[in-house]
Amino acid sequence: DAGVIQSPRHEVTEMGQEVTLRCKPISGHNSLFWYRQTMMRGLELLIYFNNNVPIDDSGMPEDRFSAKMPNASFSTLKIQPSEPRDSAVYFCASSFRSVKETQYFGPGTRLLVL
Amino acid sequence: SQQGEEDPQALSIQEGENATMNCSYKTSINNLQWYRQNSGRGLVHLILIRSNEREKHSGRLRVTLDTSKKSSSLLITASRAADTASYFCATDTIGANSKLTFGKGITLSVRP
Repeated sequence: DAGVIQSPRHEVTEMGQEVTLRCKPISGHNSLFWYRQTMMRGLELLIYFNNNVPIDDSGMPEDRFSAKMPNASFSTLKIQPSEPRDSAVYFCASSFRSVKETQYFGPGTRLLVL
Repeated sequence: SQQGEEDPQALSIQEGENATMNCSYKTSINNLQWYRQNSGRGLVHLILIRSNEREKHSGRLRVTLDTSKKSSSLLITASRAADTASYFCATDTIGANSKLTFGKGITLSVRP
């Protein structure tokens, strides 16, 4: 299995621009998670989906952030408009059944907003 | 504050020595997991221990869980330079909206 695939791996953009991060979970996994990692705040759960349905989005910082999972093999995290404080590494992870189980992380997208 | 908090924040040891890392948490859990993150990479799952287990082994890793003290420890025996990484504990709290909550991690440096 290829593991969790994320794209792009690096993104540099200017403040105000729209940013779209993409994730392909491991085939057969029913849960998908988006995390943000910064030095100051550590690893934060933004949102997670189970069977393509958003279950908990309480970690989404504000309305500028949105996430979708149109099918079992694809999810996007969008930031519009982006701000410098959004600079972080964004990870996508998936698990076989639920949030309680082992999570498999992608390599992350390193986002820099200038 | 974080549900899972690791201790120490940083640890530097010589290759061949054992490394012990601790995690404390506040509320009752279903399970506790340890993950490793190499620089610039995603997290990799190491081991999961359930609330009814006290000790678990995986290769050179030994994890203990003391639910009465709400703490866990990760022991890496005979450390290698390749063990240099950040280590995170993650707790799955009991409740309808439970989710994994990660600590801020321990930076382990193993000197060759």
